[in-house]
Amino acid sequence: SQTIHQWPATLVQPVGSPLSLECTVEGTSNPNLYWYRQAAGRGLQLLFYSVGIGQISSEVPQNLSASRPQDRQFILSSKKLLLSDSGFYLCASQVGQNGPQHFGDGTRLSIL
Amino acid sequence: GESVGLHLPTLSVQEGDNSIINCAYSNSASDYFIWYKQESGKGPQFIIDIRSNMDKRQGQRVTVLLNKTVKHLSLQIAATQPGDSAVYFCAENMGGGGYQKVTFGTGTKLQVIP
Repeated sequence: SQTIHQWPATLVQPVGSPLSLECTVEGTSNPNLYWYRQAAGRGLQLLFYSVGIGQISSEVPQNLSASRPQDRQFILSSKKLLLSDSGFYLCASQVGQNGPQHFGDGTRLSIL
Repeated sequence: GESVGLHLPTLSVQEGDNSIINCAYSNSASDYFIWYKQESGKGPQFIIDIRSNMDKRQGQRVTVLLNKTVKHLSLQIAATQPGDSAVYFCAENMGGGGYQKVTFGTGTKLQVIP
């Protein structure tokens, strides 16, 4: 079964600083990969998804970007963080079109 | 518009009792439904799923029921244990080519009373 690794687990960054969150997947190949943000007491908001290396689709306009340099690596980035970027960021992996998404344990990002 | 929601934000049950968590969905085109469990500070954990051509599916201590007529989904947990305490949320997949377009509910907090 697949395992999704995210790091760091927690991160405190000042406003205006850059960001790089990494997600790697083990135990599968050619997964669909997703980045979500979860606000407290709210559902998951899809930020980006990728169906293959170098293929990124954005769901909402925002201050963030994503990249997929390798099959099982998905990176969430920002050049300049905003206060509103604070949140819990989750990476998910899904094999094929007919199975569930599996999640990593997330990164708690706090912007000061 | 499409939405996935939960009837009860918090559910308290006695240890050993059965729990039922409900979910309503509004997109009749959704063909795949998933229940997740999320413990504090962790990512959602897949529990069980069901496709639209089924109305019931059972796992270990869990059962998911799908009523397409009223667009209702429920998760039943048998003999609830303290380790079941978490937030549970449902998700519906509206299909699409190449990737899943999934809408997640906001969740129900299950509190198990020892």
